[in-house]
Amino acid sequence: EVQLAQSGAEVKKPGEPLKISCKGLGYSFSNYWIAWVRRMPGKGLEWMGIIFPADSDTRYSPSFQGQVTMSADKSISTAYLQWGSLKASDTAMYYCARLGKSGFGGDYWGQGTLVTVSS
Amino acid sequence: QSALTQPASVSGSPGQSITISCTGTSSDVGGYNYVSWYQQHPGKAPKLLISEVSNRPSGVSNRFSGSKSGNTASLTISGLQADDEADYYCSSYTSSSTLVFGGGTKLTVL
Repeated sequence: EVQLAQSGAEVKKPGEPLKISCKGLGYSFSNYWIAWVRRMPGKGLEWMGIIFPADSDTRYSPSFQGQVTMSADKSISTAYLQWGSLKASDTAMYYCARLGKSGFGGDYWGQGTLVTVSS
Repeated sequence: QSALTQPASVSGSPGQSITISCTGTSSDVGGYNYVSWYQQHPGKAPKLLISEVSNRPSGVSNRFSGSKSGNTASLTISGLQADDEADYYCSSYTSSSTLVFGGGTKLTVL
């Protein structure tokens, strides 16, 4: 069974760094794009970017370029999303999703990681 | 890139059909057959309903259907049920090799 298991909720202070994870189970992790999606409180979904674990080809959506870093370790089937210095406006639910073999549809999703940034 | 344009809300009675539109540009919706639709219930992860404009993944009810004409894609839900009440999002691949969502549509089943 395909699953994406995300790391647990985080509570951080502004300026702190953070790295959250998404572990793929039950499929060939290297060969499917992984996407990260943000949902801020009361707002809609936003694609942050996508990464291909086999070669770490990464494409950021313009709004997130330079704001976050996506990476992947194919040896442990895990993708990461990290911030160097969090802001209060980074408070959101973050989802990872596997993109299917054709059409860039997110066919499997993680359960979400809630990140709260507050002083 | 700007978000795709969806109506903020739609509503319908049980058994009726509704259609949600998703308007983009020739650089996204109109340029590729890579339009997807998602359903998100409160507190849950999104669920893929439609990929590649009109393909239903295994397990998705045939009450959900998708289409596209020019720069506008559409999701039709027939035989509305109470459990269809949720937020719906369209998504498209773009000429920048990224993805973009619509703003989301809240469906109310009356």
